[in-house]
Amino acid sequence: AQSVSQHNHHVILSEAASLELGCNYSYGGTVNLFWYVQYPGQHLQLLLKYFSGDPLVKGIKGFEAEFIKSKFSFNLRKPSVQWSDTAEYFCAVNPLTGGANNLFFGTGTRLTVIP
Amino acid sequence: GAGVSQTPSNKVTEKGKYVELRCDPISGHTALYWYRQSLGQGPEFLIYFQGTGAADDSGLPNDRFFAVRPEGSVSTLKIQRTERGDSAVYLCASSLVAGQPQHFGDGTRLSIL
Repeated sequence: AQSVSQHNHHVILSEAASLELGCNYSYGGTVNLFWYVQYPGQHLQLLLKYFSGDPLVKGIKGFEAEFIKSKFSFNLRKPSVQWSDTAEYFCAVNPLTGGANNLFFGTGTRLTVIP
Repeated sequence: GAGVSQTPSNKVTEKGKYVELRCDPISGHTALYWYRQSLGQGPEFLIYFQGTGAADDSGLPNDRFFAVRPEGSVSTLKIQRTERGDSAVYLCASSLVAGQPQHFGDGTRLSIL
């Protein structure tokens, strides 16, 4: 079945550590890719998106993600995390084949940053 | 500026009852989406509106679920004969046009006793 996989369910890091969260998808064809973040008690917010062009995209708050088409991956990275990055992170895919406009989400990765 | 507004924020009701959940999208956004998020899961697509019409309702789990958007702005998700398995957070999102990044509301936490 087509899916979005986030293999890290809970990641715990100390402040200033580097972060990489994995995201793999199984949809064929052209896709739009997104990372959303949900801070405690808040709604989902867009971190960054990839539609086309440079596969390395930069988002808000120092986050970036790299689209590797051959690996069907869109991993999220940040060189140095802060306590305020504690949140749940969701990878989402919009498969453009067939005219779909909805998002398919992974199960999320909970990030805890220890001061 | 105003984001996506969802009411109520919490709804507790008994099994078998009817519920309505409301979504007020960002002004000018033509596309509106409903998702459902169960504990420990990512949001799952339910239905998508382009204007007043439901362009894709393939995610609705069964015919107890129905949604409308009569004037192309506010949308209501309706659930008949609620079951305990319907308990979840129901999220609404809107985008300027289909395919553009979606902006999410805070959700309605629905609990069926």
